[in-house]
Amino acid sequence: NAGVIQTPRHKVTGKGQEATLWCEPISGHSAVFWYRQTIVQGLEFLTYFRNQAPIDDSGMPKERFSAQMPNQSHSTLKIQSTQPQDSAVYLCASSLDGLGGRYAEQFFGPGTRLTVL
Amino acid sequence: GDKVKQSPSALSLQEGTNSALRCNFSIAATTVQWFLQNPRGSLINLFYLVPGTKENGRLKSAFDSKESYSTLHIRDAQLEDSGTYFCAAEAYGSSGNKLIFGIGTLLSVKP
Repeated sequence: NAGVIQTPRHKVTGKGQEATLWCEPISGHSAVFWYRQTIVQGLEFLTYFRNQAPIDDSGMPKERFSAQMPNQSHSTLKIQSTQPQDSAVYLCASSLDGLGGRYAEQFFGPGTRLTVL
Repeated sequence: GDKVKQSPSALSLQEGTNSALRCNFSIAATTVQWFLQNPRGSLINLFYLVPGTKENGRLKSAFDSKESYSTLHIRDAQLEDSGTYFCAAEAYGSSGNKLIFGIGTLLSVKP
């Protein structure tokens, strides 16, 4: 079991360019989460898929950010027209279904460090 | 942030000593997870808790949902325990369940 895989590990973009981040969840996990980590804001929830369906995107900035999960083996987070304030570590996590409506234990990938110049 | 308050924010321990980290919640937490972010940046699962306690080697954690707190006890601290410890509380919100993270405790274990 390779764990959650995220690519690339590092990405540098110029202001206004697009960035696409990839996540491969642990095989058999039904839930995929995206988080963003910065020094100032800490770890923030962005969005959540269950069985490939978008469940909650309340943490996503409404403009420029979008996430998809076209199949059970990968999810993408796309940022259009990147800005310096988008610089952060973007973390993907996956989990099994929780019991009784609760979350189950989440397993995190190594993250993608995005730097917008 | 304010919904999950971790203390202390930083801690320095001598190898072989014991310590406790704490999270206080201002939300109705249903489950709690503890993670260690190592110097390479990877978040490693330590515990997943419903109300109660769990123990794993030199680590022990408790979650009291009625008193709204969780603790992580480290016994016989080792150099490899260094890193940032995060607690995260699951709580119901207007848009569904969320896992809300504290700001972390930076632990440095010295020889």
